[in-house]
Amino acid sequence: AQSVTQLDSQVPVFEEAPVELRCNYSSSVSVYLFWYVQYPNQGLQLLLKYLSGSTLVKGINGFEAEFNKSQTSFHLRKPSVHISDTAEYFCAVLGAGTYKYIFGTGTRLKVLA
Amino acid sequence: DAGVIQSPRHEVTEMGQEVTLRCKPISGHDYLFWYRQTMMRGLELLIYFNNNVPIDDSGMPEDRFSAKMPNASFSTLKIQPSEPRDSAVYFCASSETTTDTQYFGPGTRLTVL
Repeated sequence: AQSVTQLDSQVPVFEEAPVELRCNYSSSVSVYLFWYVQYPNQGLQLLLKYLSGSTLVKGINGFEAEFNKSQTSFHLRKPSVHISDTAEYFCAVLGAGTYKYIFGTGTRLKVLA
Repeated sequence: DAGVIQSPRHEVTEMGQEVTLRCKPISGHDYLFWYRQTMMRGLELLIYFNNNVPIDDSGMPEDRFSAKMPNASFSTLKIQPSEPRDSAVYFCASSETTTDTQYFGPGTRLTVL
């Protein structure tokens, strides 16, 4: 079975500052990893995903994440955030050979002016 | 493509009433997922279909919940009878494969009084 932990429920950060949202997972099989963003009153949208290959994955809106197998992490980063990045961010894991996404509890990013 | 379409966007009903939520996936997507999102439990997978066939319904909370997919372009999630604890946002998502991006609908906000 797989599980996902997002350690921070809320992250306040000032505009133009860097941000890192943390995600750790556990799995007995190899995994695929995803970050989704949810803006208020909307569904989730994919930011980026890791399936295989390079461990540094670049996504939309300037976000990137690095897959670290030894630390079982997939942290999301952005070097300079904007007010429009204010949203909830979900990390998700999919075990190879399985069909069920496991979502983390989400991290609410609030960008302050 | 218009994306994943869900209806209604908002539903307010009284305890004991039947509720039917509807979803139209993106054309060509073979997988359809129903999720429930609450503050307490986060995002939970209820059931998913592959080529209109239910594959895993282990997330369906109890017998009051049922889901169908009579054809490739339509799915329903029914709650009968509804209870106040069913109040949540219900999302439908579709994807081409299990490792591909899941595209989420805007959700149905259900309130059971």
